[in-house]
Amino acid sequence: SQQGEEDPQALSIQEGENATMNCSYKTSINNLQWYRQNSGRGLVHLILIRSNEREKHSGRLRVTLDTSKKSSSLLITASRAADTASYFCATRRSNDYKLSFGAGTTVTVRA
Amino acid sequence: DAGVIQSPRHEVTEMGQEVTLRCKLISGHNSLFWYRQTMMRGLELLIYFNNNVPIDDSGMPEDRFSAKMPNASFSTLKIQPSEPRDSAVYFCASSSDRFEAFFGQGTRLTVV
Repeated sequence: SQQGEEDPQALSIQEGENATMNCSYKTSINNLQWYRQNSGRGLVHLILIRSNEREKHSGRLRVTLDTSKKSSSLLITASRAADTASYFCATRRSNDYKLSFGAGTTVTVRA
Repeated sequence: DAGVIQSPRHEVTEMGQEVTLRCKLISGHNSLFWYRQTMMRGLELLIYFNNNVPIDDSGMPEDRFSAKMPNASFSTLKIQPSEPRDSAVYFCASSSDRFEAFFGQGTRLTVV
């Protein structure tokens, strides 16, 4: 079963706008990661946030983590057409090495 | 390092045939994951290894599926016999401990 669930399933925005997507998970985690997948390609790691961190930034990406609510959000600021892709959250459980992915959010950035 | 390398990139086979997918890990990584991606079921974890040892194979759909790591840098996923419902994109990914995973480009399998 999927460990993480993303919301929304799909998002369409205008270039320059911000895109926000959320992820909920079920078990205790060591860290949470976000990945991007362009059509027909493998997944690419974007950012990792540890369970003792609440917020992390990387370029135009901002990730938050709320372990009490078992949820995370990914914000992409000033979106570009090249940000069009599917975005997945993935969780590393505390007790083993398992890396489980959610269903993903498909983001379309209109020029 | 060239990254995670999967072969073949595309495979078309007839139902009942044996299929072997191959994966070369990034040097120094000690965790290996096999995933299957379909529109209906998304990205499913089939099996993962740590230090060449299978840790969790609960995602392997049936006994027709088997995976091995004969050494620290190489893994195979075998389907025997293959069925049309096995058609999917199969990814392997490697990582160092609990850090980020690096994915291969995937093998698109079509079973007719």
